[in-house]
Amino acid sequence: GAGVSQSPRYKVTKRGQDVALRCDPISGHVSLYWYRQALGQGPEFLTYFNYEAQQDKSGLPNDRFSAERPEGSISTLTIQRTEQRDSAMYRCASSFSTSGEQYFGPGTRLTVT
Amino acid sequence: KNQVEQSPQSLIILEGKNCTLQCNYTVSPFSNLRWYKQDTGRGPVSLTIMTFSENTKSNGRYTATLDADTKQSSLHITASQLSDSASYICVVSERSSASKIIFGSGTRLSIRP
Repeated sequence: GAGVSQSPRYKVTKRGQDVALRCDPISGHVSLYWYRQALGQGPEFLTYFNYEAQQDKSGLPNDRFSAERPEGSISTLTIQRTEQRDSAMYRCASSFSTSGEQYFGPGTRLTVT
Repeated sequence: KNQVEQSPQSLIILEGKNCTLQCNYTVSPFSNLRWYKQDTGRGPVSLTIMTFSENTKSNGRYTATLDADTKQSSLHITASQLSDSASYICVVSERSSASKIIFGSGTRLSIRP
Protein backbone atom coordinates (compact mmCIF):
# COMPACT_ATOMS: atom_id res chain seq x y z
CA GLY A 1 0.00 0.00 0.00
CA ALA A 2 2.98 2.38 -0.11
CA GLY A 3 2.86 5.38 -2.39
CA VAL A 4 5.41 6.48 -4.94
CA SER A 5 8.90 6.52 -3.48
CA GLN A 6 12.01 8.25 -4.73
CA SER A 7 15.63 8.01 -3.80
CA PRO A 8 17.77 9.65 -2.81
CA ARG A 9 15.69 12.40 -1.20
CA TYR A 10 18.63 14.79 -1.38
CA LYS A 11 21.64 14.71 -3.65
CA VAL A 12 24.53 17.15 -3.74
CA THR A 13 27.00 16.64 -6.54
CA LYS A 14 29.84 18.50 -8.14
CA ARG A 15 29.49 19.95 -11.58
CA GLY A 16 30.49 17.46 -14.25
CA GLN A 17 29.48 14.36 -12.30
CA ASP A 18 26.72 11.99 -13.40
CA VAL A 19 23.72 11.37 -11.16
CA ALA A 20 21.01 8.73 -11.20
CA LEU A 21 17.64 9.36 -9.61
CA ARG A 22 15.35 6.48 -8.82
CA CYS A 23 11.56 6.25 -8.80
CA ASP A 24 9.57 3.33 -7.45
CA PRO A 25 5.95 3.72 -8.58
CA ILE A 26 2.82 2.38 -6.97
CA SER A 27 2.58 -1.33 -7.69
CA GLY A 28 0.49 -2.04 -10.76
CA HIS A 29 0.61 1.48 -12.13
CA VAL A 30 1.15 1.43 -15.87
CA SER A 31 2.26 5.00 -16.42
CA LEU A 32 5.25 6.71 -14.86
CA TYR A 33 6.14 10.38 -15.28
CA TRP A 34 9.20 12.47 -14.52
CA TYR A 35 8.97 16.19 -13.76
CA ARG A 36 11.40 18.91 -12.77
CA GLN A 37 10.28 21.66 -10.45
CA ALA A 38 12.10 24.89 -9.80
CA LEU A 39 11.47 26.75 -6.56
CA GLY A 40 8.10 28.49 -6.62
CA GLN A 41 7.15 27.04 -9.99
CA GLY A 42 4.82 24.29 -11.11
CA PRO A 43 6.31 20.98 -12.26
CA GLU A 44 7.79 20.87 -15.75
CA PHE A 45 7.16 17.69 -17.70
CA LEU A 46 10.28 15.74 -18.70
CA THR A 47 9.23 12.32 -19.94
CA TYR A 48 6.83 9.46 -19.36
CA PHE A 49 6.53 5.70 -19.78
CA ASN A 50 3.74 3.24 -20.34
CA TYR A 51 5.07 -0.04 -19.00
CA GLU A 52 8.68 -0.12 -20.19
CA ALA A 53 8.11 1.96 -23.30
CA GLN A 54 9.13 5.59 -23.25
CA GLN A 55 6.16 7.35 -24.83
CA ASP A 56 7.25 10.95 -24.83
CA LYS A 57 10.63 12.42 -24.05
CA SER A 58 10.05 15.80 -25.58
CA GLY A 59 10.44 17.52 -22.21
CA LEU A 60 13.99 16.36 -21.63
CA PRO A 61 16.09 19.56 -21.78
CA ASN A 62 19.02 18.10 -23.74
CA ASP A 63 20.85 14.87 -24.45
CA ARG A 64 22.51 14.83 -21.03
CA PHE A 65 19.16 13.71 -19.65
CA SER A 66 17.90 10.18 -20.17
CA ALA A 67 15.44 7.87 -18.50
CA GLU A 68 14.68 4.20 -18.53
CA ARG A 69 12.16 1.79 -17.08
CA PRO A 70 13.51 -1.57 -18.27
CA GLU A 71 11.02 -3.87 -16.54
CA GLY A 72 8.02 -1.58 -16.51
CA SER A 73 8.30 -0.82 -12.81
CA ILE A 74 11.22 1.10 -11.29
CA SER A 75 12.55 3.98 -13.36
CA THR A 76 15.85 5.80 -13.35
CA LEU A 77 16.43 9.35 -14.53
CA THR A 78 20.09 9.92 -15.35
CA ILE A 79 21.76 13.27 -15.77
CA GLN A 80 25.23 13.16 -17.24
CA ARG A 81 27.89 15.84 -16.80
CA THR A 82 25.70 17.80 -14.41
CA GLU A 83 25.59 21.58 -14.57
CA GLN A 84 24.51 24.09 -11.94
CA ARG A 85 21.34 24.87 -13.88
CA ASP A 86 20.28 21.23 -13.34
CA SER A 87 19.71 22.01 -9.65
CA ALA A 88 16.02 21.49 -8.94
CA MET A 89 13.48 19.19 -7.35
CA TYR A 90 12.93 16.15 -9.54
CA ARG A 91 9.54 14.56 -9.05
CA CYS A 92 8.17 11.27 -10.20
CA ALA A 93 4.50 10.36 -10.50
CA SER A 94 2.63 7.22 -11.46
CA SER A 95 -0.89 6.47 -12.57
CA PHE A 96 -2.93 3.33 -13.14
CA SER A 97 -3.52 4.34 -16.74
CA THR A 98 -2.33 7.07 -19.09
CA SER A 99 -5.26 9.38 -18.41
CA GLY A 100 -5.68 8.42 -14.79
CA GLU A 101 -4.95 10.38 -11.67
CA GLN A 102 -1.27 10.84 -11.01
CA TYR A 103 0.24 10.20 -7.61
CA PHE A 104 3.43 12.07 -6.88
CA GLY A 105 6.48 10.95 -5.00
CA PRO A 106 8.29 13.12 -2.45
CA GLY A 107 10.92 14.18 -4.97
CA THR A 108 14.69 14.27 -5.08
CA ARG A 109 16.28 17.64 -4.33
CA LEU A 110 19.34 17.85 -6.58
CA THR A 111 21.97 20.49 -5.92
CA VAL A 112 24.89 20.84 -8.30
CA THR A 113 27.79 22.80 -6.87
CA LYS B 1 1.78 26.40 -28.54
CA ASN B 2 -0.18 24.65 -25.80
CA GLN B 3 -0.35 26.78 -22.70
CA VAL B 4 -2.01 26.87 -19.31
CA GLU B 5 -2.30 30.23 -17.58
CA GLN B 6 -3.46 30.76 -14.04
CA SER B 7 -4.60 33.84 -12.18
CA PRO B 8 -4.03 35.43 -9.84
CA GLN B 9 -0.38 34.56 -9.23
CA SER B 10 -0.92 35.02 -5.52
CA LEU B 11 -3.86 35.69 -3.25
CA ILE B 12 -4.27 36.50 0.44
CA ILE B 13 -7.65 36.11 2.13
CA LEU B 14 -8.97 35.94 5.66
CA GLU B 15 -9.87 32.63 7.24
CA GLY B 16 -13.49 31.73 6.62
CA LYS B 17 -13.77 33.67 3.37
CA ASN B 18 -14.37 32.13 -0.06
CA CYS B 19 -12.14 32.53 -3.08
CA THR B 20 -11.98 31.53 -6.73
CA LEU B 21 -8.88 30.70 -8.73
CA GLN B 22 -8.84 30.82 -12.53
CA CYS B 23 -7.22 28.68 -15.19
CA ASN B 24 -7.28 29.38 -18.94
CA TYR B 25 -5.80 26.95 -21.41
CA THR B 26 -5.13 26.61 -25.10
CA VAL B 27 -4.37 22.89 -25.07
CA SER B 28 -5.93 21.07 -28.01
CA PRO B 29 -7.12 18.44 -28.42
CA PHE B 30 -8.22 18.40 -24.81
CA SER B 31 -8.32 15.26 -22.68
CA ASN B 32 -8.78 16.30 -19.08
CA LEU B 33 -8.07 19.03 -16.55
CA ARG B 34 -6.85 18.50 -13.02
CA TRP B 35 -6.46 20.80 -10.05
CA TYR B 36 -3.68 19.99 -7.62
CA LYS B 37 -2.89 21.38 -4.18
CA GLN B 38 0.77 21.59 -3.32
CA ASP B 39 1.89 22.40 0.20
CA THR B 40 5.31 23.94 0.56
CA GLY B 41 8.00 21.29 0.27
CA ARG B 42 5.53 18.55 -0.65
CA GLY B 43 4.44 16.91 -3.88
CA PRO B 44 1.20 17.93 -5.59
CA VAL B 45 -1.98 16.21 -4.39
CA SER B 46 -4.91 15.82 -6.76
CA LEU B 47 -8.13 17.66 -5.84
CA THR B 48 -10.31 17.12 -8.91
CA ILE B 49 -10.11 15.74 -12.42
CA MET B 50 -12.60 16.63 -15.14
CA THR B 51 -13.05 15.39 -18.68
CA PHE B 52 -14.58 17.23 -21.62
CA SER B 53 -18.14 16.33 -20.70
CA GLU B 54 -17.97 17.39 -17.05
CA ASN B 55 -18.88 20.92 -16.01
CA THR B 56 -18.35 20.75 -12.29
CA LYS B 57 -16.81 18.49 -9.70
CA SER B 58 -16.60 18.88 -5.95
CA ASN B 59 -14.22 17.57 -3.34
CA GLY B 60 -15.30 18.76 0.08
CA ARG B 61 -14.92 22.54 0.22
CA TYR B 62 -13.29 22.57 -3.21
CA THR B 63 -15.46 22.92 -6.32
CA ALA B 64 -13.97 22.97 -9.80
CA THR B 65 -15.81 24.10 -12.91
CA LEU B 66 -14.92 23.58 -16.54
CA ASP B 67 -16.13 25.37 -19.65
CA ALA B 68 -14.62 23.44 -22.54
CA ASP B 69 -16.02 25.91 -25.08
CA THR B 70 -14.20 28.90 -23.65
CA LYS B 71 -11.35 26.73 -22.33
CA GLN B 72 -11.64 28.05 -18.84
CA SER B 73 -11.69 26.39 -15.44
CA SER B 74 -12.07 27.71 -11.95
CA LEU B 75 -11.45 26.32 -8.49
CA HIS B 76 -13.71 27.69 -5.78
CA ILE B 77 -12.76 27.26 -2.15
CA THR B 78 -15.52 27.71 0.39
CA ALA B 79 -15.08 28.74 4.03
CA SER B 80 -11.30 28.78 3.79
CA GLN B 81 -9.16 27.32 6.53
CA LEU B 82 -5.56 28.00 7.49
CA SER B 83 -4.63 24.59 6.08
CA ASP B 84 -5.76 25.75 2.63
CA SER B 85 -2.61 27.86 2.39
CA ALA B 86 -0.74 26.26 -0.52
CA SER B 87 -0.10 26.52 -4.23
CA TYR B 88 -2.94 25.43 -6.47
CA ILE B 89 -1.87 24.12 -9.84
CA CYS B 90 -4.01 23.63 -12.92
CA VAL B 91 -2.88 20.80 -15.20
CA VAL B 92 -4.27 20.07 -18.65
CA SER B 93 -3.69 16.87 -20.59
CA GLU B 94 -3.64 16.72 -24.34
CA ARG B 95 -5.66 13.98 -26.02
CA SER B 96 -3.15 12.21 -28.20
CA SER B 97 -1.01 9.12 -28.28
CA ALA B 98 1.68 11.11 -26.50
CA SER B 99 -0.74 12.39 -23.85
CA LYS B 100 1.27 15.53 -23.27
CA ILE B 101 0.66 17.16 -19.90
CA ILE B 102 0.95 20.90 -19.40
CA PHE B 103 1.19 22.48 -15.96
CA GLY B 104 0.18 26.00 -15.06
CA SER B 105 2.54 28.01 -12.88
CA GLY B 106 0.11 27.93 -9.99
CA THR B 107 -1.65 30.35 -7.67
CA ARG B 108 -0.07 30.86 -4.28
CA LEU B 109 -2.92 31.13 -1.73
CA SER B 110 -2.32 32.40 1.79
CA ILE B 111 -5.02 32.25 4.43
CA ARG B 112 -4.69 34.76 7.28
CA PRO B 113 -6.31 34.20 10.72
